[in-house]
Amino acid sequence: DAKTTQPPSMDCAEGRAANLPCNHSTISGNEYVYWYRQIHSQGPQYIIHGLKNNETNEMASLIITEDRKSSTLILPHATLRDTAVYYCIVRGNTGFQKLVFGTGTRLLVSP
Amino acid sequence: GAGVSQSPSNKVTEKGKDVELRCDPISGHTALYWYRQSLGQGLEFLIYFQGNSAPDKSGLPSDRFSAERTGGSVSTLTIQRTQQEDSAVYLCASSVGTGTSGSQETQYFGPGTRLLVL
Repeated sequence: DAKTTQPPSMDCAEGRAANLPCNHSTISGNEYVYWYRQIHSQGPQYIIHGLKNNETNEMASLIITEDRKSSTLILPHATLRDTAVYYCIVRGNTGFQKLVFGTGTRLLVSP
Repeated sequence: GAGVSQSPSNKVTEKGKDVELRCDPISGHTALYWYRQSLGQGLEFLIYFQGNSAPDKSGLPSDRFSAERTGGSVSTLTIQRTQQEDSAVYLCASSVGTGTSGSQETQYFGPGTRLLVL
């Protein structure tokens, strides 16, 4: 699996957009970018994933650069409940693909 | 439908005892995964089941760890002769398991079982 690099921590004010960056410069053509988050004492929660195009769902938006070497997860209006560790993961799309979690970004949303 | 469920939610045991952890995957999911997360650490893959295929046990840390999946649904992770270093949160995930596209292989996690070995 390609490695990812994320800042260890970020702060965001409640109601503002949270933009979480991820570098994955060694990503290969068939590998997807996945984002999960883990709220304290809970299991990881799937957020979104993408291959080349930008993606949006009810939770977040994913912006992938044209060269696919980096991406940004956007929480458009962060709430206190979005405080969590956010993991950016790169994985293939065929067969068995274990998830390799790095250290993630600890996002703290403050009032 | 219901998500992945795990039981017990918490387990305290004495060193040397055996423990069994249970996972109920999402209905219809044929792929099932076990991970563990030690305090302050990232997730560590343990074992993977896909349908009737032989499981991928490459992540099991020692022969004290084993897992079964009966009837293609419920899975049990067993740790024999527990040691203090086995203390961790044990997480189960499942996915549709068709292996044909990234969307269908999104893994959904349960709440985990917190194991404490005294």
